[in-house]
Amino acid sequence: IAGITQAPTSQILAAGRRMTLRCTQDMRHNAMYWYRQDLGLGLRLIHYSNTAGTTGKGEVPDGYSVSRANTDDFPLTWASAVPSQTSVYFCASSDSGAAADTQYFGPGTRLTVL
Amino acid sequence: GQNIDQPTEMTATEGAIVQINCTYQTSGFNGLFWYQQHAGEAPTFLSYNVLDGLEEKGRFSSFLSRSKGYSYLLLKELQMKDSASYLCAVKDSNYQLIWGAGTKLIIKP
Repeated sequence: IAGITQAPTSQILAAGRRMTLRCTQDMRHNAMYWYRQDLGLGLRLIHYSNTAGTTGKGEVPDGYSVSRANTDDFPLTWASAVPSQTSVYFCASSDSGAAADTQYFGPGTRLTVL
Repeated sequence: GQNIDQPTEMTATEGAIVQINCTYQTSGFNGLFWYQQHAGEAPTFLSYNVLDGLEEKGRFSSFLSRSKGYSYLLLKELQMKDSASYLCAVKDSNYQLIWGAGTKLIIKP
């Protein structure tokens, strides 16, 4: 693989179900991010990790959790899905969190919660 | 609060020039990014400005004025493949990216 991969590509989920979105990068980047993108709104940061073993909350963290057990993987999980979590989810990574660092994005997961 | 404003949609003609504006109000400033996003795809990096002035990269140029909280992306010699959304994002004092909603650019033959 090259770059960032996300799985699944798309998912339809019943409300109340548990969900994990997977994200893996092979660029040995230290920082990773989860965003959601909704129509008419900019990308909004859910959670981030500046290095393996650390995580932080973004703008819209409620209802979501993350873990960063190693450099490559950054799964996004929620225990009980709600319809307002219907969105496109993007994982991104950057070499570090520094000012000039470019974030590179995975292909996204389109999630529908019914 | 933090705010990034860009026009929702613009239309231009193939071969022409278009300027997409972005104004921002953020808590701190650590650079401004432009990304391109084709429908159904991921955003891809176009440019980064941290100092005032114009940065040119092929057919694309990006301008920044920090005192005015303003940037623009200039696209020259437009091609049909340039039809996409263009996202403006500012890195704030916490080194987090604050994103505009994006400008959908429609190119007509």
